[in-house]
Amino acid sequence: QKEVEQNSGPLSVPEGAIASLNCTYSDRGSQSFFWYRQYSGKSPELIMFIYSNGDKEDGRFTAQLNKASQYVSLLIRDSQPSDSATYLCAVKASGTASKLTFGTGTRLQVTL
Amino acid sequence: EAQVTQNPRYLITVTGKKLTVTCSQNMNHEYMSWYRQDPGLGLRQIYYSMNVEVTDKGDVPEGYKVSRKEKRNFPLILESPSPNQTSLYFCATREAGRGTDTQYFGPGTRLTVL
Repeated sequence: QKEVEQNSGPLSVPEGAIASLNCTYSDRGSQSFFWYRQYSGKSPELIMFIYSNGDKEDGRFTAQLNKASQYVSLLIRDSQPSDSATYLCAVKASGTASKLTFGTGTRLQVTL
Repeated sequence: EAQVTQNPRYLITVTGKKLTVTCSQNMNHEYMSWYRQDPGLGLRQIYYSMNVEVTDKGDVPEGYKVSRKEKRNFPLILESPSPNQTSLYFCATREAGRGTDTQYFGPGTRLTVL
């Protein structure tokens, strides 16, 4: 079983819609959860991170964490063509100071 | 400008020919790491360093070496490259504390081993 799982996609949503990206993880003791965006041919960049159960909002982005279900999601409201990218979920495991384990990413396509 | 630089950006080499990929940062971050990214496998950590002279293995360290003699530099060394080390490599630094926890990635080095 992969430690961090994501649907590879592509997830296709029309411009202006809400894109919902999902991630599950296997280590129940995981402490911190991150969403990175990676444009084709570029390096990953952090969108947001979340530590506590519930929602965390930053502009058009909302991260949702449910530790009981070992599930973290990213919602993108009012999706724009510029949001088309691969979204990487990363998890910091218990007992580690800084090590991140990444999922394989979900490719998002926002269509006009 | 705060940045992580890697050199070279592209490299084609042959099996067994030692190579070094350099990584340098100007943000004074203590933590640095190396990842490789392969289709279907995602980003996997090779080695990381918590500070000068402190390094440790990540998930896929076989065939790689690192050193951290000074804070700003963290080179990745392939003593005897093999074709299965063909990959896209990223160096990253980490800034944490005061409500932030961010890894900053370099631009990547695309390595092909023939």
